[in-house]
Amino acid sequence: LAKTTQPISMDSYEGQEVNITCSHNNIATNDYITWYQQFPSQGPRFIIQGYKTKVTNEVASLFIPADRKSSTLSLPRVSLSDTAVYYCLVGDMGNAGNMLTFGGGTRLMVKP
Amino acid sequence: NAGVTQTPKFQVLKTGQSMTLQCAQDMNHNSMYWYRQDPGMGLRLIYYSASEGTTDKGEVPNGYNVSRLNKREFSLRLESAAPSQTSVYFCASDDPLEGKLFFGSGTQLSVL
Repeated sequence: LAKTTQPISMDSYEGQEVNITCSHNNIATNDYITWYQQFPSQGPRFIIQGYKTKVTNEVASLFIPADRKSSTLSLPRVSLSDTAVYYCLVGDMGNAGNMLTFGGGTRLMVKP
Repeated sequence: NAGVTQTPKFQVLKTGQSMTLQCAQDMNHNSMYWYRQDPGMGLRLIYYSASEGTTDKGEVPNGYNVSRLNKREFSLRLESAAPSQTSVYFCASDDPLEGKLFFGSGTQLSVL
């Protein structure tokens, strides 16, 4: 299982770009890197997923270096509503029933 | 589509009581998962199921049992509840073609 390590918390201000890094030194060949966002009293929801290089969607970008031992979630121009906990999940999403375990997550606080 | 539905949303038990948390998904997903989340902490995997009729232990299975009787439903049972099981329980499902987890809204359980 690929163990993940993230900063416990981060602070930012509205309008800034936020980068959250996740370390996963023992990532396996078939593993994908997926980021989830969780608001209080809600289940996590999918943000973005990648295997290598860079992926971008309407809400975030994901940067993955060639060795894949880390990844960086980038949130452009954050707003107060981006205050949440962000989880990095590393696992084989291509086969059914894999043991998908989460790390502790990063608590992002966006200030006015 | 309702997605992943969990019942009940809230439950209070006395120590030693038993109960079953229900989870159903309508996305025709093969894999289903049960996580627990203690206050201010990350998600920990209790049990998971690759398909109907199969279940596997996760990180913290002690004190729990699960049943995957059909493709839609995955239940979690506490035979003799303990205060240490006070937590929010999340059910999730995924499919290799989707490549991402879909979570329910959670069950907040208090054991007194």
